[in-house]
Amino acid sequence: GQQVMQIPQYQHVQEGEDFTTYCNSSTTLSNIQWYKQRPGGHPVFLIQLVKSGEVKKQKRLTFQFGEAKKNSSLHITATKTTDVVTYFCAGPTDAAGNKLTFGGGTRVLVKP
Amino acid sequence: GAVVSQHPSWVICKSGTSVKIECRSLDFQATTMFWYRQFPKQSLMLMATSNEGSKATYEQGVEKDKFLINHASLTLSTLTVTSAHPEDSSFYICSAKRLRGVYSNQPQHFGDGTRLSIL
Repeated sequence: GQQVMQIPQYQHVQEGEDFTTYCNSSTTLSNIQWYKQRPGGHPVFLIQLVKSGEVKKQKRLTFQFGEAKKNSSLHITATKTTDVVTYFCAGPTDAAGNKLTFGGGTRVLVKP
Repeated sequence: GAVVSQHPSWVICKSGTSVKIECRSLDFQATTMFWYRQFPKQSLMLMATSNEGSKATYEQGVEKDKFLINHASLTLSTLTVTSAHPEDSSFYICSAKRLRGVYSNQPQHFGDGTRLSIL
């Protein structure tokens, strides 16, 4: 079945630095979604990318969908200590685009 | 925005107990809801798709007799973990999506999750 892989699994970053997390699907996706989850919390929807090559920004977060619609990236600038979250990407696995397969997540650890 | 409510937030019970978790869409009709399970430091894994008025569709490896799903109305789906054992301890999360109308292309809305601990 479809696989969604996310790297790195852990991201150690100094406060103020930038980093990128990558998401790769074994199949072409109709869309890619990104979520964040705080420790002990539930997933919170961040964004959905639909178009090939699409780039969207949310403050310090920049999301990109690959041209082949099989990969995506999330770039975060000026990391803060409050950015200690896990970022998940997710892609639909069914033809209707309703069932989601989540990547393994990137757990961000910020050093002050 | 759309809100999905999940209850209870925490459950601690003895082994062998059956536990029911409710998932409600508060301001929209959800003909389909999804149930996920998340073990510590792992990702969300889809367990089953709950369809209003019909049987749930389970993912491979998920025991349908163990995890009973009922979707009796357009705003409520329930997951019952029957005869729960310690290995069933996990974070269970539901989500709902509007599948009709102008909102059908919007992403899923997740509940707050239920932390289940079986002693």
